[in-house]
Amino acid sequence: GAGVSQTPSNKVTEKGKYVELRCDPISGHTALYWYRQSLGQGPEFLIYFQGTGAADDSGLPNDRFFAVRPEGSVSTLKIQRTERGDSAVYLCASSPLAGGIHNEQFFGPGTRLTVL
Amino acid sequence: GENVGLHLPTLSVQEGDNSIINCAYSNSASDYFIWYKQESGKGPQFIIDIRSNMDKRQGQRVTVLLNKTVKHLSLQIAATQPGDSAVYFCAENPNAGNMLTFGGGTRLMVKP
Repeated sequence: GAGVSQTPSNKVTEKGKYVELRCDPISGHTALYWYRQSLGQGPEFLIYFQGTGAADDSGLPNDRFFAVRPEGSVSTLKIQRTERGDSAVYLCASSPLAGGIHNEQFFGPGTRLTVL
Repeated sequence: GENVGLHLPTLSVQEGDNSIINCAYSNSASDYFIWYKQESGKGPQFIIDIRSNMDKRQGQRVTVLLNKTVKHLSLQIAATQPGDSAVYFCAENPNAGNMLTFGGGTRLMVKP
């Protein structure tokens, strides 16, 4: 079966531009997570969706970052006025979470964002 | 692809030997732990998980040990193979459904 997919795989943009990163979770997974991974480090949490709503956005670094999941499936991470420090791999994960039970998170391949 | 794992601690083992990767976690309230494997240019791949009511769990060629007293987690890989070469991360999950907090990662290199 299909895993988590992310597009684009690579994105190069200029400082100050706006970017959108897309995540297609595994079909039927209700929970969706965004993480950011800098070179040589582990992934860092950004935001978590349960269905359509953002259940926890405490990891978003500032108000330039925003994410949506309007139909409870595909999610888009949006970054305004990009800065060079935003360069990283952005990972999406999904989980068949139900009712407070720990579930494995399945990760996509990531989008490598480079801000020039 | 992305070169994951620069400047990470490295464990180098001979093919066929057993590997032990260690991790110290930070949150004493964490009750669920996962080990992930990440190859260059790919996302983390689930290996094995363990809940805090257990101290050992075995999978295929892998064993995870949990010591809650000292907040320590280890991953043992039996008969290490070249395909096991990757960066390994432990992750803790203090609340059901919420984010994972990842450790710093260890690069495993398997010598043929």
